[in-house]
Amino acid sequence: GAVVSQHPSWVICKSGTSVKIECRSLDFQATTMFWYRQFPKQSLMLMATSNEGSKATYEQGVEKDKFLINHASLTLSTLTVTSAHPEDSSFYICSAPGALATGELFFGEGSRLTVL
Amino acid sequence: QQQVKQSPQSLIVQKGGISIINCAYENTAFDYFPWYQQFPGKGPALLIAIRPDVSEKKEGRFTISFNKSAKQFSLHIMDSQPGDSATYFCAAGFSGNTPLVFGKGTRLSVIA
Repeated sequence: GAVVSQHPSWVICKSGTSVKIECRSLDFQATTMFWYRQFPKQSLMLMATSNEGSKATYEQGVEKDKFLINHASLTLSTLTVTSAHPEDSSFYICSAPGALATGELFFGEGSRLTVL
Repeated sequence: QQQVKQSPQSLIVQKGGISIINCAYENTAFDYFPWYQQFPGKGPALLIAIRPDVSEKKEGRFTISFNKSAKQFSLHIMDSQPGDSATYFCAAGFSGNTPLVFGKGTRLSVIA
């Protein structure tokens, strides 16, 4: 199956700083990637859709100025949490559809963000 | 509006028993119904998936049963093992490059 890699797997930062999370499709090209957020013991909630070569589309209630998404190439999407606060502490997971567009999503290993 | 409703929230099964998790969806346009398995601190991994033109799909110990008229589908884990202890999410989506909508998850514990 297709492999999606995220980095870093965990990060701790101080309140007010910015954190960048990278999502790479290792063996396939992804014109679209999806960013999900998961709070402890809860489900995955879609934050935004990352589109290569164009602006990301954000779900209702997600602040686009706080969660900056850049889809720099066909294999890389980045999520930057700007001016992070403790309530932004969460598990961020990216995913990408496979080349066959069957509906299946391939997920990264996730990035655990803790804001102190 | 919760598009995919999953139950139970948690489940304890004896080793060797059958684990059953249920999901119901609302949007009849969905045409892809996967189940994902997630271990703590890890991203979800696809377990098995089904499309609405099939009523049942089996892969090893895992079976999806799909009832299109009832808009429900379920995951059956036969001969459940302690290694199956994880959180299971049902989801629904569409063919193509679209996101999945997830249920709230079921925390399965298989005890010896």
